[in-house]
Amino acid sequence: AQRVTQPEKLLSVFKGAPVELKCNYSYSGSPELFWYVQYSRQRLQLLLRHISRESIKGFTADLNKGETSFHLKKPFAQEEDSAMYYCALTPQGQNFVFGPGTRLSVLP
Amino acid sequence: NAGVTQTPKFQVLKTGQSMTLQCAQDMNHNSMYWYRQDPGMGLRLIYYSASEGTTDKGEVPNGYNVSRLNKREFSLRLESAAPSQTSVYFCASSESWGNSPLHFGNGTRLTVT
Repeated sequence: AQRVTQPEKLLSVFKGAPVELKCNYSYSGSPELFWYVQYSRQRLQLLLRHISRESIKGFTADLNKGETSFHLKKPFAQEEDSAMYYCALTPQGQNFVFGPGTRLSVLP
Repeated sequence: NAGVTQTPKFQVLKTGQSMTLQCAQDMNHNSMYWYRQDPGMGLRLIYYSASEGTTDKGEVPNGYNVSRLNKREFSLRLESAAPSQTSVYFCASSESWGNSPLHFGNGTRLTVT
């Protein structure tokens, strides 16, 4: 079965430090992967998807099929990046599968 | 554009009571979904409607029913609430079923005592 794992429940970094939120998936086909973000008291919103290959709010994510990973990275964290981050996978022709989420806390 | 609108925002129920969560989207999306969000478990799909006129079970459908009233509206009903249904519920929609990005509502925080 398809599965998404995010090994860190909580990740704390200082402002200006690099941040990497890990995401690993299990799926034998060609996956489509997403990162969603939920800021405090707000709805979940799409941060980025791998097929877009774009950088949103300074975040990037590269799909590594060999390691089955889609880690989210930002070189210099900002306090406003503090939020809950969910990695999600859509197996072809099936519903989204979400990871358990990582809460990022950026300390001043 | 309001996007996806959910009501109510908060609800407290006693065990055995029933209620319906309402969801509407104004993006002309074909597919709609209901998720529940629990700490450490991420989002789990309860039911979905790939297109108007169809509904299907997701990962955790027990204790819930849904109605796709029209293209815009997708409601979730708890017939006899249980404490295990205490959760935050999110409605979402997407342009089409499969890999179109999901657009979420603001959520409903439900407590069952």
